[in-house]
Amino acid sequence: AQKITQTQPGMFVQEKEAVTLDCTYDTSDQSYGLFWYKQPSSGEMIFLIYQGSYDEQNATEGRYSLNFQKARKSANLVISASQLGDSAMYFCAMREFYNFNKFYFGSGTKLNVKP
Amino acid sequence: DTAVSQTPKYLVTQMGNDKSIKCEQNLGHDTMYWYKQDSKKFLKIMFSYNNKELIINETVPNRFSPKSPDKAHLNLHINSLELGDSAVYFCASSQVPGTGTDTQYFGPGTRLTVL
Repeated sequence: AQKITQTQPGMFVQEKEAVTLDCTYDTSDQSYGLFWYKQPSSGEMIFLIYQGSYDEQNATEGRYSLNFQKARKSANLVISASQLGDSAMYFCAMREFYNFNKFYFGSGTKLNVKP
Repeated sequence: DTAVSQTPKYLVTQMGNDKSIKCEQNLGHDTMYWYKQDSKKFLKIMFSYNNKELIINETVPNRFSPKSPDKAHLNLHINSLELGDSAVYFCASSQVPGTGTDTQYFGPGTRLTVL
C-alpha cells in the first residue's frame, strides 16, 4: 500500500482565493510527522509546514495551514489568498518515528494560480 | 549560510562515463539522503546515511556508490552512466526525531543529462 497518496495531479485556483491540496497517509505508527514541500519551476524543494502526530492544533505558517484529521489519516494543505508565485508542484511527505531514516513522498500536485 | 549544498548544479555527459556529485550540509544533521527525481517529478529515495553509516539502499544499481567521509558530507559516484540515469538528483539532510526539528532539508538539486 502507498504510504502517501495525493489524488490531485493538477489543480487550478484563481488568484486571491484559497485552495486545498489533498494528502492521505497510511501508517500503523502512533508517532509520525507530516510535511509539505513546494517545488517551483526553478526546481528547488522548499519546506513549507510540519505537523506532528501528537500536535493537537493544526500547524500554520503564514498563508499555509495544515488541516490534520488524524482519524481520517489526512493532512491537507490549505493555501489562503493564493498568489501567482504559489504556482508550483506540492509534495506531501511522512516520516515514521520508528523508521525515522526514511521519508515517504506523494506523487505531487501541480498547482496553477490564474490571474 | 547555505544549509545543504550540491555541486555541480548541471551535469551533461556521455553514456558510459563515470561522474560524481558532491553534497555538504552545515546544519549539524546526523542523517543524509540521496533522492532521484524523474521526468514525472516522482521523488524516489536512493540512499540514506546516518552518522556515516549506510542505513537505506533502495535497490539501486551497483553502478551508484555513495560515500560519506563524515556526517556533513555525502557524495554520489555513478559508474558507466546510462540514458536512464538522466534525472534530477537531490541531496537532503535531517536530524534524528526528538533531537530538534524533524524536518528534512534539500539541496538545490543536480540535473544530470546522459547523452
